Amino acid sequence: ETGVTQTPRHLVMGMTNKKSLKCEQHLGHNAMYWYKQSAKKPLELMFVYNFKEQTENNSVPSRFSPECPNSSHLFLHLHTLQPEDSALYLCASSQDLGGRKQLSNYGYTFGSGTRLTVV
Amino acid sequence: QKEVEQNSGPLSVPEGAIASLNCTYSDRGSQSFFWYRQYSGKSPELIMFIYSNGDKEDGRFTAQLNKASQYVSLLIRDSQPSDSATYLCAVKGGGSTLGRLYFGRGTQLTVWP
Repeated sequence: ETGVTQTPRHLVMGMTNKKSLKCEQHLGHNAMYWYKQSAKKPLELMFVYNFKEQTENNSVPSRFSPECPNSSHLFLHLHTLQPEDSALYLCASSQDLGGRKQLSNYGYTFGSGTRLTVV
Repeated sequence: QKEVEQNSGPLSVPEGAIASLNCTYSDRGSQSFFWYRQYSGKSPELIMFIYSNGDKEDGRFTAQLNKASQYVSLLIRDSQPSDSATYLCAVKGGGSTLGRLYFGRGTQLTVWP
């Protein structure tokens, strides 16, 4: 396996269900991210993890709960979602040196995404 | 939230033409700039990055950066139907958001044969 792997690719869930999205990166990166992509809207940064520690939570509702057990794995636990949460959820990773030592040419590597439909 | 603005298009060009995609950003402390290509139903794929004023060329792609005008563009020469996709501009934040990538809405490009 190479790159960033996300499972499942597609998920349909009811509003009362509990499900989890999984992301695994094989790039040796130390930062991982969850993004939400809805139609006609920019990619929305949801959560950031650096060295397994959550460093950013962009006012995401509590029905989304992230977990990062190590620097290679990232989960997004979902419960009691709403139909408006239907979207493409993308995981990404990068090499983050921290502080002011940001490598200018390091973008993010994205996984293939999970297409989530809440019914 | 850092603002990254793109013309959503759609932009339609004939095969062989030059496609020009534009992006402006609000954070003057931004350090580096990226162009991602996203095919329908797929995830974004990094195609270019630039962090110095001027032009950067890679094959048929040229990225242009003007920090004074807070403007970055992507030119695609000899456009091919396979270039049809949505192009996302991304800006790496400065200051308190150092290292974070902020995305525009994307410009949908169609190259017709």
